[in-house]
Amino acid sequence: DQQVKQNSPSLSVQEGRISILNCDYTNSMFDYFLWYKKYPAEGPTFLISISSIKDKNEDGRFTVFLNKSAKHLSLHIVPSQPGDSAVYFCAASNTGNQFYFGTGTSLTVIP
Amino acid sequence: GAVVSQHPSWVICKSGTSVKIECRSLDFQATTMFWYRQFPKQSLMLMATSNEGSKATYEQGVEKDKFLINHASLTLSTLTVTSAHPEDSSFYICSAIGGMNEQFFGPGTRLTVL
Repeated sequence: DQQVKQNSPSLSVQEGRISILNCDYTNSMFDYFLWYKKYPAEGPTFLISISSIKDKNEDGRFTVFLNKSAKHLSLHIVPSQPGDSAVYFCAASNTGNQFYFGTGTSLTVIP
Repeated sequence: GAVVSQHPSWVICKSGTSVKIECRSLDFQATTMFWYRQFPKQSLMLMATSNEGSKATYEQGVEKDKFLINHASLTLSTLTVTSAHPEDSSFYICSAIGGMNEQFFGPGTRLTVL
C-alpha cells in the first residue's frame, strides 16, 4: 500500500495567491521529507526538504510544514506564479535508506 | 493503491562487477517505466525511459552500454549497471506510469561499489 499519499491530484490557484499542497504518510519511522517539482518530460527537481526534528523549513517563496503527530506535511508557495505550474511530489525517507513518493499533485497557477 | 517495488533495496558490490536492479509494478501494468539516479539532497536525474517490448530511450550523457535496461514484461523493468565503479555508487529509483497517467515511484535501490 502507498505509505505516502497526496490525496489531491490537482489544484488550481490564482497568480499571487497561496498554493497549499498536502501530503500524508503512514510510517512514523520516516524522519526526512522532501518535495520535488516536475515538469513534463523532465525528472523531478528537488525543491525543499525537512527533517523530523523541525516543524517548518522556509526557502524563499516555499515553506514546508511538518506535523508529526498528524503524519502530515504541506508545501506552501506564496505568492504563486505561473511558472510554478507543475506536478509536485512529496517523498519520505527512513534515514535515507529508502524513499517513498506520493503520486503527485498537479498545480496550475492561473495568470 | 498502486505500488512499485524495487529489488534489492541495498546492494554492495566490488568494482568491476555487474549489478541488476529490478523494478516491478505490483498491481498494474506499466508500458512505460523510468529510471532515475539520485544524489543526496539533489534532484532525481532521469537516466532513461523504459518501454515494454522496445529499446529504452536514454537521456543525454547516460551510457547505454553501461546502464542496460530491459523492459521484458508489462510489470518488470531491470537496470543492470555493468562493470560498476565507485563513482556509480548512488541511489537508483524507478517509476511506472499507471492507467490514469499517475506516476508511481519505487522505494529506490542504494548501490555501493567498493
